[in-house]
Amino acid sequence: GESVGLHLPTLSVQEGDNSIINCAYSNSASDYFIWYKQESGKGPQFIIDIRSNMDKRQGQRVTVLLNKTVKHLSLQIAATQPGDSAVYFCSWMDSSYKLIFGSGTRLLVRP
Amino acid sequence: SQTIHQWPATLVQPVGSPLSLECTVEGTSNPNLYWYRQAAGRGLQLLFYSVGIGQISSEVPQNLSASRPQDRQFILSSKKLLLSDSGFYLCAWTIGEGQPQHFGDGTRLSIL
Repeated sequence: GESVGLHLPTLSVQEGDNSIINCAYSNSASDYFIWYKQESGKGPQFIIDIRSNMDKRQGQRVTVLLNKTVKHLSLQIAATQPGDSAVYFCSWMDSSYKLIFGSGTRLLVRP
Repeated sequence: SQTIHQWPATLVQPVGSPLSLECTVEGTSNPNLYWYRQAAGRGLQLLFYSVGIGQISSEVPQNLSASRPQDRQFILSSKKLLLSDSGFYLCAWTIGEGQPQHFGDGTRLSIL
């Protein structure tokens, strides 16, 4: 599988503000995308997914946007809370149904 | 509901010693199972996956092996650990292809 080993970018936001985390994926044939949240010392936790026949999907306080033209995925978190502090990974499924993970973004929420 | 368990949570092993990490899934049948390794501050690298008992696919050549002796049990092993085997090992399951993977809480392995 593909692995990505890059230094983690960090997004710092004020509590209550909205957060936007961006991701560029590499496989233009991918049709399924997932965002995960990983807290320190724990495994990644599923947040929200989207298939390529959609460009937007909303969950509770989270929205995922997909732009297949430019291979870009974003996660929007409304009214960010301290409990949202974590590393967020985008992922996409390749033609063999394996998940490829992005490099991750660390979200820090300032009180 | 489905749950996934990994143990141990942390492990410190000397170079050259054997390894056995276990992962079990409850509440589902015939899941696809996965082993990943995550280096500090980095993304996840797929090591092995299994679509059924005794069926193991390896993604990268390495010092590790995997086995699936039962439907909901996935084991990661090594006969002789290397320093480079240190990392955070994660097990995941999915009900099938094209579905989200769900992760355990991992094992942090330190090799001395």
